[in-house]
Amino acid sequence: DTGVSQNPRHKITKRGQNVTFRCDPISEHNRLYWYRQTLGQGPEFLTYFQNEAQLEKSRLLSDRFSAERPKGSFSTLEIQRTEQGDSAMYLCASSPGGARSGNTIYFGEGSWLTVV
Amino acid sequence: SQKIEQNSEALNIQEGKTATLTCNYTNYSPAYLQWYRQDPGRGPVFLLLIRENEKEKRKERLKVTFDTTLKQSLFHITASQPADSATYLCALDKSDTGRRALTFGSGTRLQVQP
Repeated sequence: DTGVSQNPRHKITKRGQNVTFRCDPISEHNRLYWYRQTLGQGPEFLTYFQNEAQLEKSRLLSDRFSAERPKGSFSTLEIQRTEQGDSAMYLCASSPGGARSGNTIYFGEGSWLTVV
Repeated sequence: SQKIEQNSEALNIQEGKTATLTCNYTNYSPAYLQWYRQDPGRGPVFLLLIRENEKEKRKERLKVTFDTTLKQSLFHITASQPADSATYLCALDKSDTGRRALTFGSGTRLQVQP
């Protein structure tokens, strides 16, 4: 499978714990995005990487959230001190070029987070 | 503030009919608009992209129109099939702010009855 890979697919954690999600983009895609989606809503942009540089961060990305893409390949999204409001599906996407250029963005299957 | 609106009510149609979904936006000047399909528990899948200078785009049974004056896009599925049942999302770039992210509507759920 050469699509965007995310793991774990499901995570249940207690409030206050830290969680980390991993995303492996399509190889040779230099652009990587994280989105968050809650039930009944469309995906909301969190952050964007071009290679290893994090070029854009949404206001939604509070201080408890941190994303990295250390070698310009895979990326991690860490949420510290989780809160119940963090429960959502976290989607990773990649593209060979920028969204503004009209390139297709390819999404992974998402990582479901439930904070209890 | 910038806003994207899709009909939040589910659209129920009979197999074989044409489904038409609407995406309206305000306070945007997008360079292009995209439509995605999303099945329950899955990530969105890209369907079609239409640019601001294009009026219409087709792909097999799918057709998208883009009216920048009305600030509206229509998404049509002709000869609909039960397998077309899914949530359909529209997404716009944010060229007026220079951002590289897409902004999505909340989606419209389509149910095609056999």
